[in-house]
Amino acid sequence: NAGVTQTPKFQVLKTGQSMTLQCAQDMNHNSMYWYRQDPGMGLRLIYYSASEGTTDKGEVPNGYNVSRLNKREFSLRLESAAPSQTSVYFCASSEWGSGRLGNEQFFGPGTRLTVL
Amino acid sequence: GQQVMQIPQYQHVQEGEDFTTYCNSSTTLSNIQWYKQRPGGHPVFLIQLVKSGEVKKQKRLTFQFGEAKKNSSLHITATQTTDVGTYFCAGRREYGNKLVFGAGTILRVKS
Repeated sequence: NAGVTQTPKFQVLKTGQSMTLQCAQDMNHNSMYWYRQDPGMGLRLIYYSASEGTTDKGEVPNGYNVSRLNKREFSLRLESAAPSQTSVYFCASSEWGSGRLGNEQFFGPGTRLTVL
Repeated sequence: GQQVMQIPQYQHVQEGEDFTTYCNSSTTLSNIQWYKQRPGGHPVFLIQLVKSGEVKKQKRLTFQFGEAKKNSSLHITATQTTDVGTYFCAGRREYGNKLVFGAGTILRVKS
């Protein structure tokens, strides 16, 4: 099992360009998440999908959109990239259902994005 | 909104010394998780605490969840160079379904 995979690993964009970060998991998890990690700020939730067909905003959703394509795949789109979106982006997945206390999250290797 | 504060931000210890990182939440948590991220890597789950006052051990690591379920700590006894990395706590609010991560504590171990 590959776990959680992300593409690309690195990306450099110019301000105003768009791109989509891809994430896939092969653990049959219901829930998937997108985080960004900036120095000194930990991991901040951008969007999450509790189950296939649903998506919800996290702490820092502005400038991003997401698509839960199917149970395996959850993509993050930057429509018009800005330098403030320079960050490391992590996708994660977990088993999670309504009413449960929650389970560990499995993280992908990350995408290092630079916006010039 | 919910905030999880983590201290210290950074600690540099001599190999063999102990290390502790602390987490405090502004709201009561249903559970708290701890993750470790090696330099250049991704966060990896260590443990989850659920009960008030819970204490769990993993070899040299001891995890505690406060009685009020608002704070937690991770203590490493006799650090080794393999312990280097960033340690994150992540809290889940009562009836919530999202994790809120602390800023992390960066641990460096000098041999």
